[in-house]
Amino acid sequence: DQQVKQNSPSLSVQEGRISILNCDYTNSMFDYFLWYKKYPAEGPTFLISISSIKDKNEDGRFTVFLNKSAKHLSLHIVPSQPGDSAVYFCAASPYNNNDMRFGAGTRLTVKP
Amino acid sequence: EAGVAQSPRYKIIEKRQSVAFWCNPISGHATLYWYQQILGQGPKLLIQFQNNGVVDDSQLPKDRFSAERLKGVDSTLKIQPAKLEDSAVYLCASSLGGVSSGRAVNQQFFGPGTRLTVL
Repeated sequence: DQQVKQNSPSLSVQEGRISILNCDYTNSMFDYFLWYKKYPAEGPTFLISISSIKDKNEDGRFTVFLNKSAKHLSLHIVPSQPGDSAVYFCAASPYNNNDMRFGAGTRLTVKP
Repeated sequence: EAGVAQSPRYKIIEKRQSVAFWCNPISGHATLYWYQQILGQGPKLLIQFQNNGVVDDSQLPKDRFSAERLKGVDSTLKIQPAKLEDSAVYLCASSLGGVSSGRAVNQQFFGPGTRLTVL
């Protein structure tokens, strides 16, 4: 059962423009959401997170938005840079963090 | 600070053979996780240890998969016998705290993974 879905397998944007990656979830018990970034032949690295008590969290060029009523979150990267080219995974967990579920990932390509 | 170490990085075996993967977490991290990532999918948690005890192994196929974490540090994941559908990247991750330690200490750090191909 796919409780976390990333419906866009790939996204291509021009350098300097905004990248928007989307994620939907079905489990209303999820209360903590994370984005991980993965380069080839490396493990995922933590990028940014958001708790369900917030609707926005910002860290430099990265902003995550959470819409609890729609069970939807998005990651905005502004401005996009070629070094941002990677696979981005959305993940969600319930309060006790025992069972973090990942989406299938979106491959972002930022063109110079 | 050294990251999570995994070996081997790549492994090719035939079906019905056995294979073992090794993970060394970040020093001082109490919690260790093993994930399976099949091509085109996100990582799926197989088992979670806190120190040397199992916290969650509900998604571990126990008829063929086993894992242990001796002395609460290194861990090994074994598959015996392997099937074609076990072909995947096996990721190990570690975090500082346990279930009740709060979000910041539960941030998971991943190793580079072991890519397993079963022929």
